[in-house]
Amino acid sequence: QVQLQESGPGLVKPSQTLSLTCTVSGGPISSGAFYWSWIRQPAGKGLEWIGRMLISGNTHYNPSLKSRVTISLDTSKNQFSLTLNSVTAADTAVYYCATETEHCSGGRCYEYLQRWGQGTLVTVSS
Amino acid sequence: DIQMTQSPSSLSASVGDRVTITCRASQTISTYLNWYQQKPGKAPKVLIYGASILQTGVPSRFSGSGSGTDFTLTISSLQPEDFATYYCQQTSTTSLTFGGGTKVEIK
Repeated sequence: QVQLQESGPGLVKPSQTLSLTCTVSGGPISSGAFYWSWIRQPAGKGLEWIGRMLISGNTHYNPSLKSRVTISLDTSKNQFSLTLNSVTAADTAVYYCATETEHCSGGRCYEYLQRWGQGTLVTVSS
Repeated sequence: DIQMTQSPSSLSASVGDRVTITCRASQTISTYLNWYQQKPGKAPKVLIYGASILQTGVPSRFSGSGSGTDFTLTISSLQPEDFATYYCQQTSTTSLTFGGGTKVEIK
């Protein structure tokens, strides 16, 4: 059973860089995955999509975060990573990694977030 | 960006009730609409994709419908384990967006 686990600092100072890694275990990182994604959730609030990377290297980012975000993939380590620059208190949230799969039906192909990590809390504070 | 608006933001219901949650997109998204369930302290779990396709292993009391801009998630007979927050998500464009969520609470 493929599992995902986020890791990284739980506390980041304002204006610094947030870096998280998602390690995929139980199978190759490419197993059943079309995209490798990051999503975050501030305490008591809803889900915010951060971005995703395709195995081809193409990336899609939330326009509101695009100037500060980088998602990268290291297939040799079965990991993918998130970097968010110039953080502020507004970036405090639980960060989830997830893999997105695709299912085709009726001539259309649908993507959905299939596997998720348990989430890791990142607090931005001095 | 496509904005996704869910209603209501919260509701109270009893076990056995039929529950309907709506999601409206700010522009047409065909059937590129997913529904997720999230319980406190846990990651979300996909229930429905493609607006109406039930994910494997999800109970048949969950159903989804709609296309274009208006969608619904229905729970035909609410069970104790269904008390959770539900999110819609559009995947019509390469900038994905979630709805604000609907919290289903026990009456």
